[in-house]
Amino acid sequence: KAGVTQTPRYLIKTRGQQVTLSCSPISGHRSVSWYQQTPGQGLQFLFEYFSETQRNKGNFPGRFSGRQFSNSRSEMNVSTLELGDSALYLCASSLGQPPDYEQYFGPGTRLTVT
Amino acid sequence: QKEVEQNSGPLSVPEGAIASLNCTYSDRVSQSFFWYRQYSGKSPELIMSIYSNGDKEDGRFTAQLNKASQYVSLLIRDSQPSDSATYLCAVSDTGRRALTFGSGTRLQVQP
Repeated sequence: KAGVTQTPRYLIKTRGQQVTLSCSPISGHRSVSWYQQTPGQGLQFLFEYFSETQRNKGNFPGRFSGRQFSNSRSEMNVSTLELGDSALYLCASSLGQPPDYEQYFGPGTRLTVT
Repeated sequence: QKEVEQNSGPLSVPEGAIASLNCTYSDRVSQSFFWYRQYSGKSPELIMSIYSNGDKEDGRFTAQLNKASQYVSLLIRDSQPSDSATYLCAVSDTGRRALTFGSGTRLQVQP
């Protein structure tokens, strides 16, 4: 079974621009979660989507948004990029319902904001 | 504010020894517990999940959970140099399904 895929793997953007990241979950998984990883803050939860609905949201500003499509693929958008948005963005997929709560991560998208 | 605490390390063990990694969490409603391994420059890889008090074994790995003490640990038996990585402890409560991660423990296995 194929794993979680993320595109693109690397991005360089300029402050003030916006960016869209894409994630395709494991086949059969309906939940997609997004995380930000930085050396200073570690891994932090952004939001989770299940069946095209945002179920949970972390403590990030409104510049960070996402959506999920009917095929469970998800996109994350960051508008008005700031230098501090430079990070590894990770997507994780799971069944999203009992009894299995395991989340499997994709390879990540490394975003550099200059 | 949920907190997950881990010793940052590095924890250094000789090849063949048992590595013991520890994690404490602050939120008593936490229900699901996970250990991830992350190699430098790579994404986290799920090693173990544990939901009930006690031990859970999978190959060389054993996860231990004590909800009363709010403590979860990971034992790696017969440690190999390839086990050298950062080990992340993550917890979630069933309702939120969002993982809260510790900062990770760096493990070094010396040949």
